[in-house]
Amino acid sequence: EIVLTQSPGTLSLSPGERTTLSCRASQSISSGYLAWYQQKPGQAPRLLMFHASRRATGIPDRFSGSGSGTDFTLTISRLEPEDFAVFYCQQYETSARTFGQGTKLEIK
Amino acid sequence: EVELVESGGGLVQPGRSLRLSCAASGFTFSAHSMTWVRQAPGKGLEWVARMNGDGSERYYLDSVKGRFTISRDNAQNSVYLQMNNLRAEDTAVYYCARGGAWYEYWGQGNLVTVSS
Repeated sequence: EIVLTQSPGTLSLSPGERTTLSCRASQSISSGYLAWYQQKPGQAPRLLMFHASRRATGIPDRFSGSGSGTDFTLTISRLEPEDFAVFYCQQYETSARTFGQGTKLEIK
Repeated sequence: EVELVESGGGLVQPGRSLRLSCAASGFTFSAHSMTWVRQAPGKGLEWVARMNGDGSERYYLDSVKGRFTISRDNAQNSVYLQMNNLRAEDTAVYYCARGGAWYEYWGQGNLVTVSS
């Protein structure tokens, strides 16, 4: 099983700021098979990125993903009020998929 | 428009069974793997099970192996999760999602509460 560890657990930032969320895997995700999701309270998750760096349909270009091997990041270039939520990474390298524990992005 | 609608959740006693259903529309159902993901109250997402389009491949979270069974009926455009011998730690909102790798479409979620 690939364990995904996200950091930090919580981020307190203001609209307009730039932020980077981290997702570290316990073993190499050799093909970049990593996705990112955003979840707001009471809602289903929303796909942001797949293949580590490919934006899903309708996702604004202020969201970007990067990384390879065991270290991946999600960057939001300029935070909008609607961006504050919990973010999860998820790997699909192995037959049994796994999610990270999440990073909560809150308004400062 | 892609739509996934879960049903079948509710309150169940430990050790009992429950079957979740997910009705799909707006896409060619048999062409897509389907996945179940759960979220315990106040916790993160946990991948549970997935099945490929023709039902020939199934994969499970270790803690549900032998207790949960994913299945699908392509004629009915539906995927199911049969949950047996339920435990308190299975209490969660259960989501069905389209796909076997990443998940662009999700249902609204269905709460399963395991409690005496």
